[in-house]
Amino acid sequence: GAVVSQHPSRVICKSGTSVKIECRSLDFQATTMFWYRQFPKQSLMLMATSNEGSKATYEQGVEKDKFLINHASLTLSTLTVTSAHPEDSSFYICSARDRESYEQYFGPGTRLTVT
Amino acid sequence: ELKVEQNPLFLSMQEGKNYTIYCNYSTTSDRLYWYRQDPGKSLESLFVLLSNGAVKQEGRLMASLDTKARLSTLHITAAVHDLSATYFCAGNQGGKLIFGQGTELSVKP
Repeated sequence: GAVVSQHPSRVICKSGTSVKIECRSLDFQATTMFWYRQFPKQSLMLMATSNEGSKATYEQGVEKDKFLINHASLTLSTLTVTSAHPEDSSFYICSARDRESYEQYFGPGTRLTVT
Repeated sequence: ELKVEQNPLFLSMQEGKNYTIYCNYSTTSDRLYWYRQDPGKSLESLFVLLSNGAVKQEGRLMASLDTKARLSTLHITAAVHDLSATYFCAGNQGGKLIFGQGTELSVKP
């Protein structure tokens, strides 16, 4: 149980384009999902907290107009990187918090490369 | 604001040896997590420690929590090559996980 999927697992896009990453909780409901970014050899940095049916809360320094988050259902959150640039290349990991147990479960990550 | 610091950041061990990774945190955290990350992969949950004095063990790894000292440790016993990975601890602040810098462990024959 407690499986979180992300799609796609890898994506390469051209500078200036947008890319959408999906995060799904497969066997539990998640009122809250979290989006992290991890650069090589660094720790995970929380970007934003996504709450079902309401606006996301962004961490300091994260541009909300660049990283659009939608949490339309209890099992799906999406992160759209708009007008991507090479510096946005990173490993994006989502986690979903089980609404009953309050434990967080991590997705497998999405490797974004912007050329 | 919760800050989490790990040390060491890099650890090269010989197989068969024991070592401990330390995780200090700055303010109250109602739970402390340990994760393992292999290169190119996401996080694998190892332990959740909920209370002072909690100790959990899985195979060659043992984690403990001292809430008074705001310290958690991950002890590795008789290391084997398969344990080579990066290990993260994380505290909980208002439902958000705050991660340490990670400890890159390399176990050599």
